[in-house]
Amino acid sequence: QVQLVQSGAEVKKPGASVKVSCKASGYTFTGYYMHWVRQAPGQGLEWLGWINPHSGGTNYAQKFQGRVTLTRDTSISTAYMELNRLTSDDTAVYYCARDHGISNAMDVWGQGTTVTVS
Amino acid sequence: SYVLTQPPSVSVAPGQTARITCGGNNIGSKSVHWYQQKPGQAPVLVVYDDSDRPSGIPERFSGSNSGNTATLTISRVEAGDEADYYCQVWDTSDHRLFGGGTKLTVL
Repeated sequence: QVQLVQSGAEVKKPGASVKVSCKASGYTFTGYYMHWVRQAPGQGLEWLGWINPHSGGTNYAQKFQGRVTLTRDTSISTAYMELNRLTSDDTAVYYCARDHGISNAMDVWGQGTTVTVS
Repeated sequence: SYVLTQPPSVSVAPGQTARITCGGNNIGSKSVHWYQQKPGQAPVLVVYDDSDRPSGIPERFSGSNSGNTATLTISRVEAGDEADYYCQVWDTSDHRLFGGGTKLTVL
């Protein structure tokens, strides 16, 4: 079945960087864009950007431009999200989510990775 | 920049119909998608392109979109429908935008 499995929880110091992985299975990894979305404690969903696994092309939300980098390794069907210069405001659950392909929705989500900055 | 406005909360009795709105300037010209998120879980797509349902989503979930308001309708509400619901649209420059979310309480 289609599945996205993310790496485990992280605790980082302010000013550090974090890199979260998202391993895809059950479908052709290069056939669907991958989005990254985060959710701060008690807050709503916030879109960070997407990566085209086929070309490596990326598109970032303006808020995170220059601080987030999305990459992928097609040999192991894995997408990565790296966020730099962390502050306490970056404490959140980070999700990867597959683009629906038919629409611009997100149809499959990873289980989430908790990043704590403290 | 474009803004999506959702009511913070909606309450409904079991068996009744819940309507959750998502407001935006001329949102009827956009495709709206809806997600359900239960506590401690990842979001689940329940409606895409205004009114289509992914496989496995009950027919009780439906959507509409016109003018400045999109609506997610949940018929014959069950206790298991209690969750946060988010609308989402495509934004300029191929970005994505979420509404602030609505907490559905089943009385």
